[in-house]
Amino acid sequence: DTEVTQTPKHLVMGMTNKKSLKCEQHMGHRAMYWYKQKAKKPPELMFVYSYEKLSINESVPSRFSPECPNSSLLNLHLHALQPEDSALYLCASSQRDFSYNEQFFGPGTRLTVL
Amino acid sequence: AQTVTQSQPEMSVQEAETVTLSCTYDTSESDYYLFWYKQPPSRQMILVIRQEAYKQQNATENRFSVNFQKAAKSFSLKISDSQLGDAAMYFCAYRRGNSGGGADGLTFGKGTHLIIQP
Repeated sequence: DTEVTQTPKHLVMGMTNKKSLKCEQHMGHRAMYWYKQKAKKPPELMFVYSYEKLSINESVPSRFSPECPNSSLLNLHLHALQPEDSALYLCASSQRDFSYNEQFFGPGTRLTVL
Repeated sequence: AQTVTQSQPEMSVQEAETVTLSCTYDTSESDYYLFWYKQPPSRQMILVIRQEAYKQQNATENRFSVNFQKAAKSFSLKISDSQLGDAAMYFCAYRRGNSGGGADGLTFGKGTHLIIQP
């Protein structure tokens, strides 16, 4: 199984809502990532979990809150988002958080903030 | 900080022909890895090919090969015998060596949209 799954596929939320994105992998990978991809732009790294330890991209606003309940599951909690946060949110995993490791990407959640 | 530049926003090639996508990067590191990822429309991003900077030999994966010029900081992707399924956005990506454990993962270029003409 070389699949990273993400739910939901699409999400529309208001600026006062609280929602969560979910990512799951069963490849035994110990590193998981959240990326944000705006339309016609490359992905930008938001967070890295390596052995369930978090590393944060300092430029990511606090309205995004990641959680890694276990090594297979990664959540991204959303609160008080802005319209400019509308984007495709990609989850990825790799065997370890080593530079040469291939990252396996999920299909993404397309988020629209109204 | 490292940067990755893809100067071709869009490329078009006839089916069965060969096409080369360009990528240059800037880094002060000597140890790093370079990747080409493919993102088909509405589908998952997948790794096409990977190159270790310390290896002089160019990586090859079936119809895909790279021309890695370390001194010139150039990393182009050649696709031979283009197929309709190759149509996608192609991203060149960089990651410095031994960067595990920190939030400095892949740095992507802006991408090249590859069109395959039947």
